[in-house]
Amino acid sequence: ETGVTQTPRHLVMGMTNKKSLKCEQHLGHNAMYWYKQSAKKPLELMFVYSLEERVENNSVPSRFSPECPNSSHLFLHLHTLQPEDSALYLCASSQEWTGYNEQFFGPGTRLTVL
Amino acid sequence: DAKTTQPNSMESNEEEPVHLPCNHSTISGTDYIHWYRQLPSQGPEYVIHGLTSNVNNRMASLAIAEDRKSSTLILHRATLRDAAVYYCILRDATSGTYKYIFGTGTRLKVLA
Repeated sequence: ETGVTQTPRHLVMGMTNKKSLKCEQHLGHNAMYWYKQSAKKPLELMFVYSLEERVENNSVPSRFSPECPNSSHLFLHLHTLQPEDSALYLCASSQEWTGYNEQFFGPGTRLTVL
Repeated sequence: DAKTTQPNSMESNEEEPVHLPCNHSTISGTDYIHWYRQLPSQGPEYVIHGLTSNVNNRMASLAIAEDRKSSTLILHRATLRDAAVYYCILRDATSGTYKYIFGTGTRLKVLA
């Protein structure tokens, strides 16, 4: 595997379910990101991790809980979501969080909340 | 936050050049201009970036206005594989953070 991978690619869940999205980067980067892309809206940055430490949390509801156990893996734990949380969730990584660094994106997880 | 304005959509014929405009009138002196594109069913991918001077790479060219309030992404010969949403992004460095602020982008349609 190369680049940034995300699993699952598609997920359908009920509002009472608990699920997790997984992201893995094979680029040796130190920073990882979660973005949300809703229909007809710009990408929204949700969380940023640098060397496994959260450095940015953009007022995301607590029903989204990120976890970064090491610099290669990033999770997004989901619980009691709402239908309006249905979106494409994108993971990205970059060499560093500060300064200019190109971000590499995964293919995303298409989430549908029923 | 410095923001960008792009046309919602554009069309181009295959093998012809495409000029994708972006306005960023509130850009600050140290903000870089980045372009990413998102192909169907994929995450965004980096295209090019610049600060003041025009830039060229294997994918595209970036022309930056002298006052930096606008820029243009140039695809020299559009192919069907260039059909995507193109995002012009400014890096928000005003608070010491380095967030990308994505807009809604320009959806490029390439006609065969």
